[in-house]
Amino acid sequence: DADVTQTPRNRITKTGKRIMLECSQTKGHDRMYWYRQDPGLGLRLIYYSFDVKDINKGEISDGYSVSRQAQAKFSLSLESAIPNQTALYFCATSEPGLDEQYFGPGTRLTVT
Amino acid sequence: SQQGEEDPQALSIQEGENATMNCSYKTSINNLQWYRQNSGRGLVHLILIRSNEREKHSGRLRVTLDTSKKSSSLLITASRAADTASYFCATDHTGTASKLTFGTGTRLQVTL
Repeated sequence: DADVTQTPRNRITKTGKRIMLECSQTKGHDRMYWYRQDPGLGLRLIYYSFDVKDINKGEISDGYSVSRQAQAKFSLSLESAIPNQTALYFCATSEPGLDEQYFGPGTRLTVT
Repeated sequence: SQQGEEDPQALSIQEGENATMNCSYKTSINNLQWYRQNSGRGLVHLILIRSNEREKHSGRLRVTLDTSKKSSSLLITASRAADTASYFCATDHTGTASKLTFGTGTRLQVTL
């Protein structure tokens, strides 16, 4: 079984709709991250959380919100989706002192 | 933005040849990491080099780090078709609380 899972894997939605992307992990890591990937731009950090009570904005948080429901769950919401939020979204986890991050399989989101 | 740059953007070689890709960054780092991404899938951690290290090996991978030039290189020896993927460098910058900044990636194609 995958250590970091994301649901849904693919989603098409319309402009103005609210959408939630979910991430779950079985690695027992405290730190969780949300990134988006656009062609030619690499990954950019949206939000990150170092424990259940800690939420921090990343480089591109406008238009997004997050919820850390438990150590194992970190959700990303688009309150009112717009077409330029069409991208590949990744969740990742890490543990203090180990530094490397473990990625989920990604969610491909299309906003029409 | 602290996003690093990688070159080349794309590299095509034959199986058995060596592949070298480079990463440059702008501000001081705690460590630099390399990740691989197969088409549209999650990133997989390959190797981490700390700021006080100059070279590191893992199997067919060799990473060098030159902090005076703010650059790193990843060498894959004896490439295989299965090495076809995108490769990203990611930097953990001093004072950024263990957040990673990803480069734009090098697309490697290994042909038979």
